[in-house]
Amino acid sequence: KQEVTQIPAALSVPEGENLVLNCSFTDSAIYNLQWFRQDPGKGLTSLLLIQSSQREQTSGRLNASLDKSSGRSTLYIAASQPGDSATYLCAAANTGGFKTIFGAGTRLFVKA
Amino acid sequence: DAGVIQSPRHEVTEMGQEVTLRCKPISGHNSLFWYRQTMMRGLELLIYFNNNVPIDDSGMPEDRFSAKMPNASFSTLKIQPSEPRDSAVYFCASTLQGGNTEAFFGQGTRLTVV
Repeated sequence: KQEVTQIPAALSVPEGENLVLNCSFTDSAIYNLQWFRQDPGKGLTSLLLIQSSQREQTSGRLNASLDKSSGRSTLYIAASQPGDSATYLCAAANTGGFKTIFGAGTRLFVKA
Repeated sequence: DAGVIQSPRHEVTEMGQEVTLRCKPISGHNSLFWYRQTMMRGLELLIYFNNNVPIDDSGMPEDRFSAKMPNASFSTLKIQPSEPRDSAVYFCASTLQGGNTEAFFGQGTRLTVV
């Protein structure tokens, strides 16, 4: 059974700092891995989707990597801004990408 | 497109009552997912549909929960009878092409059963 763990649970950094959020999964036979952002009281917004055949994806200041052999993914945020403050969740999908297991999330606070 | 639309945004009901949550996916998306989010259990997949057909409902917690997708633009999640432990935020999400593409989430329905 797939389990997804995110470390740390919470993170507070000063504005401008580069940071890394970690995601680990127990079953390496994933179909894809997706990173989401969730603001308080809102739904989830997809940030990056990495297919199992890919090693990384980039969008603006965000870079996500995937290492299936070690069961890890990282989300790198460059030059953090107060607007980046949110909860970040990773989700591993098996079985054709339909069955998605979410981590508990990392709550990020970027101080101005 | 307005994105995935869920209604109502908030629902407060008494234990034992029937609750129906509604979702309109993004036009042209062929897959729809229902999730439940709680502090204790995080985000859990309840059921997903592909081309209006339920593919896997193993995440549905009990027989009190049921979901339908009568057409490509509408889905419902029903709880009957509702219980206080059903209190949670329920999200609907859709994707363009199954699990190959990014998921778009609705704003969620916050359900409180008293």
